[in-house]
Amino acid sequence: DGGITQSPKYLFRKEGQNVTLSCEQNLNHDAMYWYRQDPGQGLRLIYYSQIVNDFQKGDIAEGYSVSREKKESFPLTVTSAQKNPTAFYLCASSFAGESYEQYFGPGTRLTVT
Amino acid sequence: SQQGEEDPQALSIQEGENATMNCSYKTSINNLQWYRQNSGRGLVHLILIRSNEREKHSGRLRVTLDTSKKSSSLLITASRAADTASYFCATDWYRGGTSYGKLTFGQGTILTVHP
Repeated sequence: DGGITQSPKYLFRKEGQNVTLSCEQNLNHDAMYWYRQDPGQGLRLIYYSQIVNDFQKGDIAEGYSVSREKKESFPLTVTSAQKNPTAFYLCASSFAGESYEQYFGPGTRLTVT
Repeated sequence: SQQGEEDPQALSIQEGENATMNCSYKTSINNLQWYRQNSGRGLVHLILIRSNEREKHSGRLRVTLDTSKKSSSLLITASRAADTASYFCATDWYRGGTSYGKLTFGQGTILTVHP
C-alpha cells in the first residue's frame, strides 16, 4: 500500500529533552512538509523540503530542526528551545513544483510536561 | 499573511440538509484546495480549484472560486452524519508567476451533522 506514515502516534517527553518525530512516505513524492496544529486551530507550516538534501523554513521554524537525507524520509526534531512544544504534528508529501494536493500522515500528538 | 479565513467557525445541521462553508484569502493564488479532517486524524484532500476556474464538482461537493472577491465556498449537498469533520481551505504561495508548492491553511469550519 502506498502512503505516508508517522510514528509514534502519541509521544510524551519531559521539558528540556529533544525529541524526533518520524515521517516516511512511499508515494515517490519529492516534496515533504511538517505542520503544527494546536487545538481548534488551522495548520501552521514548520519546515518543508522540495528535494533531497534541501529544506526551507516555514512560518514557525524556531525551536525545530529537520533533515532530508532520503527521498522517503523527513524527520522533525523538536528541540528544548521550542517554548510550547505540546501540539499535534502532521507530516505531508506531494509532487514538487506546482501546488499539487498534499497527502497527510495520521499525525503525532506530542505532550511535553 | 495570505492565510485563508473560514466562515462560519462552526456549523450544525440535520442529515439531508446542505452545508455551505466559505473561505476568504488575501493575495494572488494559483489554486485553492479544500481538505477535511476527522477528529484527531490527518487531513484528506477533497478538491482543488485553479485560479482560472469558477466552479468544480466532485460527487456531493461543489466548490466555487471568485478571484475578484478573493473568496471560495464549499457546498456539501444532502449531508450525512459521516460528513461530520473539520473542513479547511488552503491557498498556495504564488509570486511572480511561480507557485512555490507550500500551502497556507485557514482556521477551519467545524461541521456537525446530526442524524
